[in-house]
Amino acid sequence: ETGVTQTPRHLVMGMTNKKSLKCEQHLGHNAMYWYKQSAKKPLELMFVYSLEERVENNSVPSRFSPECPNSSHLFLHLHTLQPEDSALYLCASSQVTVSGANVLTFGAGSRLTVL
Amino acid sequence: GQQVMQIPQYQHVQEGEDFTTYCNSSTTLSNIQWYKQRPGGHPVFLIQLVKSGEVKKQKRLTFQFGEAKKNSSLHITATQTTDVGTYFCAGPCWSARQLTFGSGTQLTVLP
Repeated sequence: ETGVTQTPRHLVMGMTNKKSLKCEQHLGHNAMYWYKQSAKKPLELMFVYSLEERVENNSVPSRFSPECPNSSHLFLHLHTLQPEDSALYLCASSQVTVSGANVLTFGAGSRLTVL
Repeated sequence: GQQVMQIPQYQHVQEGEDFTTYCNSSTTLSNIQWYKQRPGGHPVFLIQLVKSGEVKKQKRLTFQFGEAKKNSSLHITATQTTDVGTYFCAGPCWSARQLTFGSGTQLTVLP
């Protein structure tokens, strides 16, 4: 396996379900991210795990809960979602350096549909 | 907060025509990155510009970073159908660990 791997690639869930998205990076990077991409909207940063620190976008609802057990794995736990949460969820990783250069490598994404 | 604006939102060109997308930031950027997302795909890193006034080329693609480090452009010469996709610029916000993405320019190339 190389790069950034996301599973599942497609997910359909009801509003009362609980599911999780998984991301794994094989690049030795020290930071991982969750982005949300909705139709006709900019990429929206949801969560960052970098150097054992978590940063979150305050506008993300609490029904999204991230988990980062180690530097290679990242989860996004989903519960009681709304139809407007249907989107492409992209995981990314990067090697954060002192110089600030921070190039993202994205996974293929998990296409989520909430019924 | 920092905003990164991109224009145009959509661009249709005939194959062989040139294409340019522009990116403007509300604040000075330490660097700017460009990504391409093919239809049904995910964003893929193209290039990073760091220096004021920097110009970089990748075959038919020319990237520029403005003198004030608040704007950037991507120019494609003689577009091909393989250039189809959405082009995003991105700049670091308050922390180098976060990137703010522009809204993207969706390019359609008509054969």
